[in-house]
Amino acid sequence: DAGVIQSPRHEVTEMGQEVTLRCKPISGHNSLFWYRQTMMRGLELLIYFNNNVPIDDSGMPEDRFSAKMPNASFSTLKIQPSEPRDSAVYFCASSVQGAYYEQYFGPGTRLTVT
Amino acid sequence: AQSVTQLDSQVPVFEEAPVELRCNYSSSVSVYLFWYVQYPNQGLQLLLKYLSGSTLVKGINGFEAEFNKSQTSFHLRKPSVHISDTAEYFCAVSDRTGGFKTIFGAGTRLFVKA
Repeated sequence: DAGVIQSPRHEVTEMGQEVTLRCKPISGHNSLFWYRQTMMRGLELLIYFNNNVPIDDSGMPEDRFSAKMPNASFSTLKIQPSEPRDSAVYFCASSVQGAYYEQYFGPGTRLTVT
Repeated sequence: AQSVTQLDSQVPVFEEAPVELRCNYSSSVSVYLFWYVQYPNQGLQLLLKYLSGSTLVKGINGFEAEFNKSQTSFHLRKPSVHISDTAEYFCAVSDRTGGFKTIFGAGTRLFVKA
């Protein structure tokens, strides 16, 4: 099993540019989560999907952030336009719905906005 | 609403000494409890979980945790730590009312010294 796959692993971009982070969950998992981790704020849940449907996006910081899950094997998190305060490590995690919420995390994407 | 409090942000300890990382939670219903570990530059991985049954839960790498309902605690312990245990440890809670949302604590950085 390849685990949760995220790309890119590192992204450096300039303020104002669009950034797209990608995630492939573990096959057979039907819940997907996007988190952001910073020193100041710790680990924050941004949004999660069940069966490709967004269930709770209350953690999305503002309209500049959007997430999609067009099918069971792919999700994107987009920031447009990006700002320096978006610099963080973004994690994707997946789980089997009903499997007591144990989550499997990807390696993360380290985003730096200059 | 659920919440998780990790009482120590950093715990320094000498190699081969015992360690306890403290976690308290709040929830109005039955909960599922987790400890995750994050090694440098990696995603989180599950260390152990409590779903029901025995209050003493054993996990990977010699760690164990005890669920105490009356004190709403789920402290993590290891009788003898190794240098390789240096990492950040996250306590997390889920319950039915939160859907499939897991709430993570702020994390405790365990630093094992030679």
